Amino acid sequence: DAKTTQPTSMDCAEGRAANLPCNHSTISGNEYVYWYRQIHSQGPQYIIHGLKNNETNEMASLIITEDRKSSTLILPHATLRDTAVYYCIGVFTGRRALTFGSGTRLQVQP
Amino acid sequence: EPEVTQTPSHQVTQMGQEVILRCVPISNHLYFYWYRQILGQKVEFLVSFYNNEISEKSEIFDDQFSVERPDGSNFTLKIRSTKLEDSAMYFCASSVLPPNTDTQYFGPGTRLTVL
Repeated sequence: DAKTTQPTSMDCAEGRAANLPCNHSTISGNEYVYWYRQIHSQGPQYIIHGLKNNETNEMASLIITEDRKSSTLILPHATLRDTAVYYCIGVFTGRRALTFGSGTRLQVQP
Repeated sequence: EPEVTQTPSHQVTQMGQEVILRCVPISNHLYFYWYRQILGQKVEFLVSFYNNEISEKSEIFDDQFSVERPDGSNFTLKIRSTKLEDSAMYFCASSVLPPNTDTQYFGPGTRLTVL
């Protein structure tokens, strides 16, 4: 799986967009980029994933650069409940284990 | 919305005792997983299970651990003789077997405390 690099922590004002970057320069062609988050000690929560194209769902948008070496998770209107650790994970098709790194601790400020 | 459930939410046990952690995966899912997270550390993969067999396991998943799907709904993790270092949050996850994606959905976890 590609090694991913994320900032240790970020702050965001409530109501503003939170942009969380992830570098995955060694990602291979058939490796998806997945984003999960973990609120306090709860189970990781799936957010979004993509391969090449940008993706959007009800929670977030995922912007993947054309060379696929980096991506950005966008929470369009962050709320206090979005305070969590966000994980960017590379997943090979067919590989079942998720390898969690340290993630980015996002603190949404009132 | 369907979700993965886990019981108990908190288990306290004495060192050397056996524990069984229980999970009910999402009903139409076919792959099942266990992960653990020691306090303050990363979430670590333990094992994946499909078609009544272990499909992948990590170095952590040694002979003290076993998994079972005893019926059509439950998925269990057994630790035969608990050690102090087994104290952690244990998360169960499940996924559909799709052709090219592996979205795993996690339960709320069981906090295991070994005294």
